[in-house]
Amino acid sequence: DTGVSQDPRHKITKRGQNVTFRCDPISEHNRLYWYRQTLGQGPEFLTYFQNEAQLEKSRLLSDRFSAERPKGSFSTLEIQRTEQGDSAMYLCASSPGTVLADTQYFGPGTRLTVL
Amino acid sequence: AQSVTQPDIHITVSEGASLELRCNYSYGATPYLFWYVQSPGQGLQLLLKYFSGDTLVQGIKGFEAEFKRSQSSFNLRKPSVHWSDAAEYFCAVGANAGGTSYGKLTFGQGTILTVHP
Repeated sequence: DTGVSQDPRHKITKRGQNVTFRCDPISEHNRLYWYRQTLGQGPEFLTYFQNEAQLEKSRLLSDRFSAERPKGSFSTLEIQRTEQGDSAMYLCASSPGTVLADTQYFGPGTRLTVL
Repeated sequence: AQSVTQPDIHITVSEGASLELRCNYSYGATPYLFWYVQSPGQGLQLLLKYFSGDTLVQGIKGFEAEFKRSQSSFNLRKPSVHWSDAAEYFCAVGANAGGTSYGKLTFGQGTILTVHP
């Protein structure tokens, strides 16, 4: 396994701009998760996919946020009209989703800074 | 709703000393429990997990954790800490639906471990 990869690793943007992040899960992992982590806090769940279906969304995921996993492989997370409060580390995780004891494996994250 | 509390924000130990990081969870049934470690600028690495069975779980890097249902705790331990263990440690709880895990993990706030030489 090559692990979960995320791109870009760092993103600096100006308030009001749109940004898109990409996550490539571990090969053949059916589930893909997005979390947000702010300084001094643990990761907070945003949303997750089983294959291409988005099964759960947190109320943290405002209407400016959208996530897709069009072919059940990689996923994108888009933030429209960014705000300074969106500055955080965005973590992606994947899991097999086919076993009873499912375990999430995390990528290195994308650090977003909104100026 | 599930929740996790890590009472210690920051712990400092000397290299070679023993370590215990506390984790208390709130969940209506038997939870799935995890410990992850995060080094600066890095993602989360799984240390160990508890799903069922033996309540003492062994993990990587010499770590172990014990699930105590009566205390709603899942404390992480290591008998002798190495300087390379300095990092932030997160406890997490996952939902358990009829023996199958699904969905989100809920994380604690994290405990920062500093190791003195």
